[in-house]
Amino acid sequence: AQTVTQSQPEMSVQEAETVTLSCTYDTSESDYYLFWYKQPPSRQMILVIRQEAYKQQNATENRFSVNFQKAAKSFSLKISDSQLGDAAMYFCAYRLGAYSGAGSYQLTFGKGTKLSVIP
Amino acid sequence: DVKVTQSSRYLVKRTGEKVFLECVQDMDHENMFWYRQDPGLGLRLIYFSYDVKMKEKGDIPEGYSVSREKKERFSLILESASTNQTSMYLCASSPGTIGEQFFGPGTRLTVL
Repeated sequence: AQTVTQSQPEMSVQEAETVTLSCTYDTSESDYYLFWYKQPPSRQMILVIRQEAYKQQNATENRFSVNFQKAAKSFSLKISDSQLGDAAMYFCAYRLGAYSGAGSYQLTFGKGTKLSVIP
Repeated sequence: DVKVTQSSRYLVKRTGEKVFLECVQDMDHENMFWYRQDPGLGLRLIYFSYDVKMKEKGDIPEGYSVSREKKERFSLILESASTNQTSMYLCASSPGTIGEQFFGPGTRLTVL
């Protein structure tokens, strides 16, 4: 079974600084997707960034970027120029590739990292 | 924009009551999911559905059932609510087999 581990239950960052959230996963598959989701205190979960395992280039979305190390099964999220609105729970998630049967519909989540942004 | 709505933000029920949590999505997504979220445990999948009237058990289906009579609506049913089912319940939907999941705002259920 696939597992996702976020080893930092809580982190804090000074406004305008950079922070990196860690995520490792365990899988024997070669075709999969990885995601970072953000859940602000209002509780609506939104997608931050996604990475296809077959792509070597790291995904970026504005101030958010990932460091995807496939061999090490590591998928960290870097937030640059942190803003007060970045304060939230961040969840790393894994999903099998599109042609892996029923399992490809499901996301496996880590336990989350609570990020605080200090003004 | 995809919109996933849940019938209640907060719900208080008594032990033994039958509880219905409703979820509606407006983007014609094939797949719908129910999770529960507990502090320190992250999100755990209860059930999902990849088509009308189709359902699959997730990681923690015990004590729950689901219904999907229409494509846009996915209901989670607690046949006899218990205090250990006090939790945040999140609904999500996704298109096809490669789309990311879009989440609803959640229902905070308290069982007394």
